[in-house]
Amino acid sequence: EVQLVESGGGLVKPGGSLTLSCAASGFTFSNYNMNWVRQAPGKGLEWVSSISSSSNYIYYADSVKGRFTISRDNAKNSLYVEMNSLRAEDTAVYYCARDPRYCSTTSCYPDYYFDYWGQGTLVSVSS
Amino acid sequence: DIQMTQSPSSLSASVGDRVTITCRASQSISSYLNWYHQKPGKAPNLLIYAASSLQSGVPSRFSGSGSGTDFTLTISSLQPEDFATYYCQQSYTTPLTFGGGTKVEI
Repeated sequence: EVQLVESGGGLVKPGGSLTLSCAASGFTFSNYNMNWVRQAPGKGLEWVSSISSSSNYIYYADSVKGRFTISRDNAKNSLYVEMNSLRAEDTAVYYCARDPRYCSTTSCYPDYYFDYWGQGTLVSVSS
Repeated sequence: DIQMTQSPSSLSASVGDRVTITCRASQSISSYLNWYHQKPGKAPNLLIYAASSLQSGVPSRFSGSGSGTDFTLTISSLQPEDFATYYCQQSYTTPLTFGGGTKVEI
């Protein structure tokens, strides 16, 4: 069974930093592109970042570019996002989500949608 | 960026009703359109990918259609567990973008 479990959320002051983790199990993590998607309280979904299976392709939403860094450790079946210079508008539930395309090579164009999601972790940015 | 516009933003329906939700893209996205539903406090769940392909395990009362800029999600006979918020999402290009959501209420 595919499982994605996020952790690391919490309360942080504006300008602060936080790193979220996503532990993956039930599939060969190293063969799938992964994503972060967030949802502000009472709002819709916003894609944050994508990383390819071998970390050679990384993309960010403009709203987080230069402040967030996505990474992965395939040996640990884990996805991360380091968030710096946090703002009130970054307050959201952060989900990790899997791209469904199985990547057998390092050059693998993703499907760019999300077939499995974690339960989410809440990040609150407030003084 | 490609803007995704859903309508209506909310609707009221009864069990057994046929429900249709529309999603419009600000430019052509071919068939790179996906649908999710989300219940309060839960993660989104993939229903339809590539405009009309039913995700494994999703009931056949859900169907999707459309291409280019205009897309439709149809629930043929609404069930109690279908009361949720529905989102469309384009997978044509980054930044990946979602519609604003359609809340289906009793």
